[in-house]
Amino acid sequence: DVVMTQSPLSLPVSLGQPASISCRSSQSLVYSDGNTYLNWFHQRPGQSPRRLIYKVSNRDSGVPDRFSGSGSGTDFTLKISRVEAEDVGVYYCMQGTHWPPTFGQGTRLEIK
Amino acid sequence: QLVESGGGLVQPGGSLRLSCAASGFSFSSYWMNWVRQAPGKGLEWVANLKHDGSGEYHVESVRGRFTISRDNAKNSLYLQMNSLRVEDTAVYYCVRGSVWNPDFWGQGTLVTVSS
Repeated sequence: DVVMTQSPLSLPVSLGQPASISCRSSQSLVYSDGNTYLNWFHQRPGQSPRRLIYKVSNRDSGVPDRFSGSGSGTDFTLKISRVEAEDVGVYYCMQGTHWPPTFGQGTRLEIK
Repeated sequence: QLVESGGGLVQPGGSLRLSCAASGFSFSSYWMNWVRQAPGKGLEWVANLKHDGSGEYHVESVRGRFTISRDNAKNSLYLQMNSLRVEDTAVYYCVRGSVWNPDFWGQGTLVTVSS
């Protein structure tokens, strides 16, 4: 299985400050169709995950533009330009290129 | 909307059938999935199923014990879980979309396997 490794696992950030989460895969996530199926999800306490980003850098509908995704191959990043209180929770990267789909361990963002 | 049901407490070796009722979109046009999350832990893909039910895939840890299925006439997804183990204890989420595009999750249903 493809191993997804996130860092950091804990991310204390002050309101209004930027945040960055790294996600690395054990294999390239470029699929045979040329797309890279790397998603980012956000899970608030007591809620189900919500997708923020798909195919590395595409924001889902309704996702604020302070969230951005980047990367290629095996190295990916989720950035939040200015953290707001509603951004607390756990962020997961997930690859859908190889079966079975796999998730990172999660990064817990908290307000400092 | 995706609404899961059928979770509960079951003894090791027992069975449960989870259901997911879909509404607000064309259910028969979408791949569907089950993903689980053990208490306080991360996320694990369990199974997925093509829009027409013609192809089903299960991860190794549940293969031969769990079966994903759907009824497009009822806009419903199912997960039949047999020979349950303590390590199957988790919240089970119904997720819309293919593995390449999993875009929407239900609220989940808790399965607890314990004697």
